[in-house]
Amino acid sequence: NAGVTQTPKFQVLKTGQSMTLQCAQDMNHEYMSWYRQDPGMGLRLIHYSVGAGITDQGEVPNGYNVSRSTTEDFPLRLLSAAPSQTSVYFCASSTPGRNIQYFGAGTRLSVL
Amino acid sequence: QQQVKQSPQSLIVQKGGISIINCAYENTAFDYFPWYQQFPGKGPALLIAIRPDVSEKKEGRFTISFNKSAKQFSLHIMDSQPGDSATYFCAANAGGTSYGKLTFGQGTILTVHP
Repeated sequence: NAGVTQTPKFQVLKTGQSMTLQCAQDMNHEYMSWYRQDPGMGLRLIHYSVGAGITDQGEVPNGYNVSRSTTEDFPLRLLSAAPSQTSVYFCASSTPGRNIQYFGAGTRLSVL
Repeated sequence: QQQVKQSPQSLIVQKGGISIINCAYENTAFDYFPWYQQFPGKGPALLIAIRPDVSEKKEGRFTISFNKSAKQFSLHIMDSQPGDSATYFCAANAGGTSYGKLTFGQGTILTVHP
């Protein structure tokens, strides 16, 4: 049982490049979320989804896009990377019946 | 605006001692307060959680104390062990469709010396 799988684990980008962070879960969870973790700031919510086709913004959505075409996948897109997006990104999933978020292992992103 | 404030930023405790981490929140709509534990290179994992209808919840060596009137809650780790060394985050959400939206504190790096 894989849980929440994030790829890649590490990525280095140049300013202005685009990329997609992948997130997949095999627990049939309806809710999925993206967070970024920065030192001294905890985890901050970027975008979240309550089901396929439904997404909404979190606390820090600027510079990021998401879509949710299936229950399993919730990719995060950076259209034009900026140094301020250097961070560790975590994807999480949860189910309405149990308020427990299961996190992936994270993607460490550096933007030069 | 940080809706959940956590202190201290770092904590050093001797083996067998008590570790205490405090959090305060502002949003009175919050009705679920979990604590997450994170080891280096890993994602956070749920440690223990409480709802505001109780003032204390204990699971093994871990206890949450909750003060609704003061809008504060804390994590106590009894008999702290070197294996407890990790980063701890308090969090909160408002239930319903907010299950997918956790508001986290800034985190506390706990080091337990043997």
